[in-house]
Order: sequence, then structure tokens, then C-alpha cells
Amino acid sequence: KNEVEQSPQNLTAQEGEFITINCSYSVGISALHWLQQHPGGGIVSLFMLSSGKKKHGRLIATINIQEKHSSLHITASHPRDSAVYICAVSGWGGGADGLTFGKGTHLIIQP
Amino acid sequence: DAGITQSPRHKVTETGTPVTLRCHQTENHRYMYWYRQDPGHGLRLIHYSYGVKDTDKGEVSDGYSVSRSKTEDFLLTLESATSSQTSVYFCAISDSGRVLGPQHFGDGTRLSIL
Repeated sequence: KNEVEQSPQNLTAQEGEFITINCSYSVGISALHWLQQHPGGGIVSLFMLSSGKKKHGRLIATINIQEKHSSLHITASHPRDSAVYICAVSGWGGGADGLTFGKGTHLIIQP
Repeated sequence: DAGITQSPRHKVTETGTPVTLRCHQTENHRYMYWYRQDPGHGLRLIHYSYGVKDTDKGEVSDGYSVSRSKTEDFLLTLESATSSQTSVYFCAISDSGRVLGPQHFGDGTRLSIL
């Protein structure tokens, strides 16, 4: 069973700051997912990656397969980025048998 | 947004009663999943389906059963609800392929067992 750990659990920052959320896992994977969940809201997939780096707007996700580690970065953070960010991994079945999740990072961006 | 509808969105019921949650998709995706989300545990897989009538257990399947008689519908049943099954339940779907695409989630069902 893959163990997925996220850090920090909680993060409060000021608007404009550069944010980094980390994720590590214990067993090799086929892909890593970053998800976003707003308070009381649904879950949105931000990134799915198996190597290297992906960028979407102010969000950047990187993964180091050898070190079993991924980071999610937010540049020029904004209060609307306040949400829970969840890391999840797909096993060697490609995710057909579901995802294994970290417990999430609760991010608050203060104006 | 992916077409996923969960029903009901909220439900309060009593211990020992049967409960069925429905997930309906309009994307014709092969794979469907039921997760529960609890404070301190995050999201955990209950059951999943890889096709019509093809289902399998996840990490926390005890006390739950599922059925998938059509591609678009995946039902989760609590035969005799217990207070430990109070949770927020999410359905998710994913398309098929050698490496599956991202999972798309429904809006969740908040279930309270009194």
C-alpha cells in the first residue's frame, strides 16, 4: 500500500507570496495527481504528471520519480487560491483501481 | 466540466436503515469510483467499477455494496447504515487507455447517520 505524505498540513501566507506544497510517496507509481478543493466544494483535478514539470497559469507542478517526491508551486498567490490541495497517486494499474490520497494541505492566502 | 451528478446531495437517516447513493455520468467513461472523505483520513476508496457489472473492492469496502447495470450509473448501497458511515461521499470517473486520464469528481453527498 502506498503511503502518501503531504507537508505542510496547514499554511497561511500573504497575498503575492510564492507557495510550495510538498508530497512524497513510498512505492513507485504510474502518475501523480494534484487536486484542489474549495471549502464546502467539489474536487477539481489540477495536474496529472508522471515525469518532469507542468505549468498552468500561476500553478507549477514538478515530480522527481527517483526521489518519490512532487511539489506544487503557486506564484503570486491570491486569496482565491485559498483551498485544500490534495496529492494523490496512481499505482501501476494506471489508476484503474483508484487513487491513494494524501491528507491534504489547507492553504489560506490573506489579502 | 465533466458531466457527473450525485444524488442526493444531502441525506440524514437513522442507524440500521438502508441507504443508496447514485452517481450518474454523461461522459461514457469506463471507470467509476466511490470515495469517502473524513477529517484526519482524507479521501479513501470504497469500491470501483471498470465496466458494466464489473466491480471490485477498495480500501474501506466493509459495510458497502455497489452495482453498475449501465455505463452511466454507479450505485453505492449501505445495507444497514451505522454512525461510522457518516461522511462525505464522492463519485469520480475516468476514461480508459493504457494510462488513465485524470479523475473527474462529482460534487459530493453529505450523509449523516444518527
